[in-house]
Amino acid sequence: EVVLTQSPGTLSVSPGERATLSCRASQRISNNYLAWYQQRPGQAPGLLIYAASSRATGVPDRFSGSGSGTDFTLTITRLETEDSAVYYCQHSGASRWTFGQGTKVEIK
Amino acid sequence: EVQLVQSGAEVKKPGDSLKISCQGSGYSFSDFWIAWVRLMPGKGLEWMGIIYPPDSYARYSPSFQGQVTISVDKSTNTAYLQWSSLEASDTAIYYCARRTTLLRGIGCDAFDVWGQGTVVTVSS
Repeated sequence: EVVLTQSPGTLSVSPGERATLSCRASQRISNNYLAWYQQRPGQAPGLLIYAASSRATGVPDRFSGSGSGTDFTLTITRLETEDSAVYYCQHSGASRWTFGQGTKVEIK
Repeated sequence: EVQLVQSGAEVKKPGDSLKISCQGSGYSFSDFWIAWVRLMPGKGLEWMGIIYPPDSYARYSPSFQGQVTISVDKSTNTAYLQWSSLEASDTAIYYCARRTTLLRGIGCDAFDVWGQGTVVTVSS
């Protein structure tokens, strides 16, 4: 079973700056089936990125995903106050679906 | 509009049974798997299990196998998550989510539509 480890646990960033979130897999993800979700306080999660680097419908281009193998990154440029949320990475394989523990992004 | 609408908040006592629902609309319900995901207070998202509506084939996370049952009613486009005997540790928000394996022509395995969540509180 693939374990996803996200870092940092919490990220405090000023508006307009860049945030870089990491997701490391315990085994190589061969098909790049890695997704990122945003969960704002009091809301359901929403899909941001799928297949490691493709933006979901309606997601601003300030959000980008990259990486392959075991190391994946979500980058948020030009941070806005509405980006305050917990971000999760997620992988599926061998009929198991796994989430990372999440990174909380706080806006200073 | 494609959406998943979940049943309302529940307050139960330990030992009670419970069945919560997730109704899909705006798309062909039988074409997509439906997953259930738990969010405990102060914790992260946990995949519980997933079901394929056409044949009700379900897979469970080892952490939840035997603890919950996932089912589906194709006639009403509704998926269910049920417990036979709740514990205080089942207090959480439960989300259903639609699994997709193709978005804009790109292969993937992601949850592209989510229900609004059902808050379950178990307390004596």
